[in-house]
Amino acid sequence: AQKITQTQPGMFVQEKEAVTLDCTYDTSDPSYGLFWYKQPSSGEMIFLIYQGSYDQQNATEGRYSLNFQKARKSANLVISASQLGDSAMYFCAMIRRSNDYKLSFGAGTTVTVRA
Amino acid sequence: NAGVTQTPKFRVLKTGQSMTLLCAQDMNHEYMYWYRQDPGMGLRLIHYSVGEGTTAKGEVPDGYNVSRLKKQNFLLGLESAAPSQTSVYFCASSYSPLAGNEQFFGPGTRLTVL
Repeated sequence: AQKITQTQPGMFVQEKEAVTLDCTYDTSDPSYGLFWYKQPSSGEMIFLIYQGSYDQQNATEGRYSLNFQKARKSANLVISASQLGDSAMYFCAMIRRSNDYKLSFGAGTTVTVRA
Repeated sequence: NAGVTQTPKFRVLKTGQSMTLLCAQDMNHEYMYWYRQDPGMGLRLIHYSVGEGTTAKGEVPDGYNVSRLKKQNFLLGLESAAPSQTSVYFCASSYSPLAGNEQFFGPGTRLTVL
């Protein structure tokens, strides 16, 4: 069963604007973590940000922030001040203690930044 | 540090042929993983290892075997390749999946099975 859902297959955003990528997850495990990875057209996987289920504050890393709404089981990625280099595929992923901490990925969202 | 490296980068096989993909990491990580990436499906875990000499099945293990004889290396084998195994294969490693330690990914191997 799909545990991670990314409902936006593709998005366009204007340069310098902010964009929010949706991610919802399904687990009853109280101990879990959520990751976001970026995959540019060159193919490599780049770690962006992490949020643990017990973290009290939303994670931030530079222009990336994670809007963590635990009760709604959502972990949306916000990219502020978009740059052309942000054009890529973005994956949400989850680890759960009940799944031996294996990483489960969503299907991804393609972001295209327009000049 | 080279990080995570994968050999080869590209390969074309005929149905029924065998091959081994090599993953190497120089970060002294305990955990290593093999994923496949198909269009529209994200990454799916094939096999993983929590330490030297250990392996475990992931989400899509059928048709693949793995070995972790040395801590720094994780091999993925295809004994009899099938067209359904055409995919991009990623290896990853991490210090520990706990406490948000990220997985470091290799550059990927693009495999085509004819």
